[in-house]
Amino acid sequence: DADVTQTPRNRITKTGKRIMLECSQTKGHDRMYWYRQDPGLGLQLIYYSFDVKDINKGEISDGYSVSRQAQAKFSLSLESAIPNQTALYFCATSELTTGSAYEQYFGPGTRLTVT
Amino acid sequence: AQKITQTQPGMFVQEKEAVTLDCTYDTSDPSYGLFWYKQPSSGEMIFLIYQGSYDQQNATEGRYSLNFQKARKSANLVISASQLGDSAMYFCAMRSIGGSQGNLIFGKGTKLSVKP
Repeated sequence: DADVTQTPRNRITKTGKRIMLECSQTKGHDRMYWYRQDPGLGLQLIYYSFDVKDINKGEISDGYSVSRQAQAKFSLSLESAIPNQTALYFCATSELTTGSAYEQYFGPGTRLTVT
Repeated sequence: AQKITQTQPGMFVQEKEAVTLDCTYDTSDPSYGLFWYKQPSSGEMIFLIYQGSYDQQNATEGRYSLNFQKARKSANLVISASQLGDSAMYFCAMRSIGGSQGNLIFGKGTKLSVKP
């Protein structure tokens, strides 16, 4: 089974609709992240969470909200979707190891289209 | 502010040859990590290799090696003996070690095409 799962994998929705993207992980990591990837670009950080009670905005948080329901679950919501939120969305997890950087484990991505 | 620059939007390489993908970075943090990820057409992000800013030797992972030149702030990825399956987008990324966020800063990527 995958360590980081995302649902749905693909979604088409209409402008103005509320939509939730879900992320679950079995790695036991405390840190979870939501990134967005636009065509031809790298990933940009939307929100991140270091534990259930610690949620922080990233560089492009406008129009999004998140919920950390448990250590293993981190959801991203678009309250009123707009077409320029059409993108590939990634959830990632990581843990800090002493004295070095750490790898981020990515989910498979959710391809969202807003019409 | 941290920044990653990948100046090659697209690269071609002949199968079985080596290729270098360029990455330069900018940071004022004394301690940081550099990463390379591969993104095939299916979309998933695959971790390839990591280099810490204080590592004395260049990182290697199988056919992947990272040419780390700290003074020049470059962290180029070298793929030896290219295979058709290496055709993908490649992203260079960076994060601070001990930083408050822990997120990765990504470049815009390089699309590598391997020709048979």
